[in-house]
Amino acid sequence: KQEVTQIPAALSVPEGENLVLNCSFTDSAIYNLQWFRQDPGKGLTSLLLIQSSQREQTSGRLNASLDKSSGRSTLYIAASQPGDSATYLCAVREGYSGAGSYQLTFGKGTKLSVIP
Amino acid sequence: DAGITQSPRHKVTETGTPVTLRCHQTENHRYMYWYRQDPGHGLRLIHYSYGVKDTDKGEVSDGYSVSRSKTEDFLLTLESATSSQTSVYFCAITRTGDGYTFGSGTRLTVV
Repeated sequence: KQEVTQIPAALSVPEGENLVLNCSFTDSAIYNLQWFRQDPGKGLTSLLLIQSSQREQTSGRLNASLDKSSGRSTLYIAASQPGDSATYLCAVREGYSGAGSYQLTFGKGTKLSVIP
Repeated sequence: DAGITQSPRHKVTETGTPVTLRCHQTENHRYMYWYRQDPGHGLRLIHYSYGVKDTDKGEVSDGYSVSRSKTEDFLLTLESATSSQTSVYFCAITRTGDGYTFGSGTRLTVV
C-alpha cells in the first residue's frame, strides 16, 4: 500500500526566505504527483502536477521536483511571502492501469507560516 | 474549484439520520471522487465513479453509499449518520493532463 510522508509537519520562516518542503512515497511506480495548497477552512488548490516522466515543474516562485527512483519530491518556494502561509499537501497517483488507479494517496501536509 | 459545486456547504444532523451530499460538475468529466478530511488522517477516498452508474469503493467506504445517475451529479449518502462521520467532505474530478480539481468542501457535523 502506498504511503506518503511529508516532513516537517510545520515550518515557520521569516518573509523573504527561500524554503523547501519535502514529500516521500513508498512505491515508486507512480503515474504522477501533485502539490496542493489548502488555506484554513478552505478547499484544495492545485499548485503543480508532475508526470512520472518529468523531473520538475515550475510555476512562478514555485518549483517542484520529482525523483521516482528514490521516492521523493520537493516543493521549493522562492522569496516567501506572508500570503504563502497555508498547508501544503503532496499526493501521488498510482501507476497501474484500471479504474482504481485514479485514486490519490495524500500526505498529511506541511503547515507553513511566513512571518512578516 | 472551477466547474465543481458542492452542496450543502455546512450541515448539522442528528445521529441515525440519513444525509445526502451533492457534487455537481459542469464540464462533463468522466471521473468523480468523494474524499473525507480529518485531523491526523489527511484526505482519504470514500468512493469514486468512472461513469454513469459505474462506481467503486475507496479506502473508507463503510457507512457510505454513492449514486451517479447523470454525468454531472455524484451523490454521497450517509445511510445512518454517526459521530465518527463528522468531517469535511470534498468532491473532486480529474481533468486529463491537469490532475485533480477539488470542490470547496462540505463541513458535516453529526450530533
